[in-house]
Amino acid sequence: KDQVFQPSTVASSEGAVVEIFCNHSVSNAYNFFWYLHFPGCAPRLLVKGSKPSQQGRYNMTYERFSSSLLILQVREADAAVYYCACMDSSYKLIFGSGTRLLVRP
Amino acid sequence: KAGVTQTPRYLIKTRGQQVTLSCSPISGHRSVSWYQQTPGQGLQFLFEYFSETQRNKGNFPGRFSGRQFSNSRSEMNVSTLELGDSALYLCASSLEIRQGTGYTFGSGTRLTVV
Repeated sequence: KDQVFQPSTVASSEGAVVEIFCNHSVSNAYNFFWYLHFPGCAPRLLVKGSKPSQQGRYNMTYERFSSSLLILQVREADAAVYYCACMDSSYKLIFGSGTRLLVRP
Repeated sequence: KAGVTQTPRYLIKTRGQQVTLSCSPISGHRSVSWYQQTPGQGLQFLFEYFSETQRNKGNFPGRFSGRQFSNSRSEMNVSTLELGDSALYLCASSLEIRQGTGYTFGSGTRLTVV
């Protein structure tokens, strides 16, 4: 079954680098997508691809079946739900269940 | 450039009723996908439309249906509502169905079934 797995919660201290891990069992999936979701807002694409990449404070690592999102200098305002997704062979995005990031001041 | 617009933002319905949700994609985007978000389940894929045709369908019962109009706007309908249908319904659009750039999401419609 095509699935994406990620931890339900990750906690960090302000100013640290936080890592959110994701792996998948999606057939023929090569790209990872990382979204940020604040309650009441539209989920926003942070970073994507099939190789390591960086967008501002967001770094994405890449392996064939796993990826990590690293958030540099994490702030209290980064507390939200982060979704990892993969695109399957029919070109639809399959999402994980989301990781809630907790930030300690 | 306007983003993805979903209406209404909030909706309360009673069991057994039906509901229609609307999604207007970004201008020029022809692919529209719908997802259901519930606590602990993440984003569950409902269906995807491209050029008025359903191209992909998730594992939801037939009570969930959708359509896309010639202007790419999409509607989602849920009939015979159940308490378990309470969720945030998110719509996302992209330029092409095979585009690897990901989707742009709307803010969602929060449906509560009582």
